[in-house]
Amino acid sequence: KNEVEQSPQNLTAQEGEFITINCSYSVGISALHWLQQHPGGGIVSLFMLSSGKKKHGRLIATINIQEKHSSLHITASHPRDSAVYICAPFTDKLIFGTGTRLQVFP
Amino acid sequence: DTGVSQDPRHKITKRGQNVTFRCDPISEHNRLYWYRQTLGQGPEFLTYFQNEAQLEKSRLLSDRFSAERPKGSFSTLEIQRTEQGDSAMYLCASSYRDMNTEAFFGQGTRLTVV
Repeated sequence: KNEVEQSPQNLTAQEGEFITINCSYSVGISALHWLQQHPGGGIVSLFMLSSGKKKHGRLIATINIQEKHSSLHITASHPRDSAVYICAPFTDKLIFGTGTRLQVFP
Repeated sequence: DTGVSQDPRHKITKRGQNVTFRCDPISEHNRLYWYRQTLGQGPEFLTYFQNEAQLEKSRLLSDRFSAERPKGSFSTLEIQRTEQGDSAMYLCASSYRDMNTEAFFGQGTRLTVV
């Protein structure tokens, strides 16, 4: 069993839809990162969470340390949100999920 | 500081050749990580440094792979006797002491072994 499970693996949405990506992990962590990766490889850090909830613009991330679960929400999705979103719990290093490929169509 | 930079961005090499990649982290960051990513997969941990000390190496890092960070600043990753299975994106990331703070990633070096 993988240490990090993301769902769904692929997600297609119409512009304006509310998006949720889920992440479950089995290891003990001190923090969890949500990352965005566009075609071509560049990875951008969206959030670092150790508890509760964070919001940046249309993006919201939540974490429940006891349940070992985190979610990333995108409100009012836009085609420029199309990317791979990766959940990465931190132990003494980042452990990456396989990512969720999101495509948002106009 | 322009962030984490990696060089080269792309490398095509013949099987059996040696290759070396460089990563320049953000200057104040004392942690530096190397990851490898194959198509359709999430990045896999290879190794990390705290300053010049290599603290952990993945079992993925065979004896053909070696990484150094001689002065606690830039790092190099060398692959000897490359194989086609080494073809991947090699990513470098840096952070302050641990990643309870934000992590910063380079653009990666895409290696193709032919």
